[in-house]
Amino acid sequence: EIVMTQSPATLSVSPGERATLSCRASQSVSSNLAWYQQKPGQAPRLLIYGASTRATGFPARFSGSGSGTEFTLTISSLQSEDFAVYYCQQYNNWPPWTFGQGTKVEIK
Amino acid sequence: EVLLVESGGTLVHPGGSLRLSCEASGFTFSNSWMHWVRQAPGKGLMWVSRINIDGSTTNYADSVKGRFTISRDNGKNTLYLQMNSLRVEDTAVYYCATSLYCSTSSCSNSWGQGTLVAVSS
Repeated sequence: EIVMTQSPATLSVSPGERATLSCRASQSVSSNLAWYQQKPGQAPRLLIYGASTRATGFPARFSGSGSGTEFTLTISSLQSEDFAVYYCQQYNNWPPWTFGQGTKVEIK
Repeated sequence: EVLLVESGGTLVHPGGSLRLSCEASGFTFSNSWMHWVRQAPGKGLMWVSRINIDGSTTNYADSVKGRFTISRDNGKNTLYLQMNSLRVEDTAVYYCATSLYCSTSSCSNSWGQGTLVAVSS
């Protein structure tokens, strides 16, 4: 069974700074990797799919990269509304969906 | 607008049963694979179960296999999760979600707002 590992667990960033989040898969997931943003009390919201394609409604400061087992989510200039928990998710292998444990992006 | 509305969550005793519902609108429900995902308080997301478009194929996480049953009624645009032999560790917000669906220009998926299941004596 595939395991998704995110790092760091918590990222403290000042508004306007760059944030880089990592996600590693225990085996290749090709480019079948998504990122979700979750704010307190809300459902997760699809942010990136296909490892690098932004979902509708998210600005260009969000970008995803990687393939195989190593993936990165970059937020180029953090805005106040970006402080949230981010999850990576594979949809290539069994089980159908596997999530990382999440990275909390908090205000420094 | 795609809308998924879960219901049925409540407080239940260990060993009890519960059925969650997820009412869908704004898209062709009968063409969409559907999932249940749960989130324990203060924890991350965990996939629970999946069902194909006509209900003939279902999959479960090992932790719920044999206790939970996913089903759907395409005539009512509704997804279900029957939960039996509930354990304290099943306590979570349960979300229904669509599989990734794509138009010619983009892909998306949709999640409900979640329903809280609390298992406690």
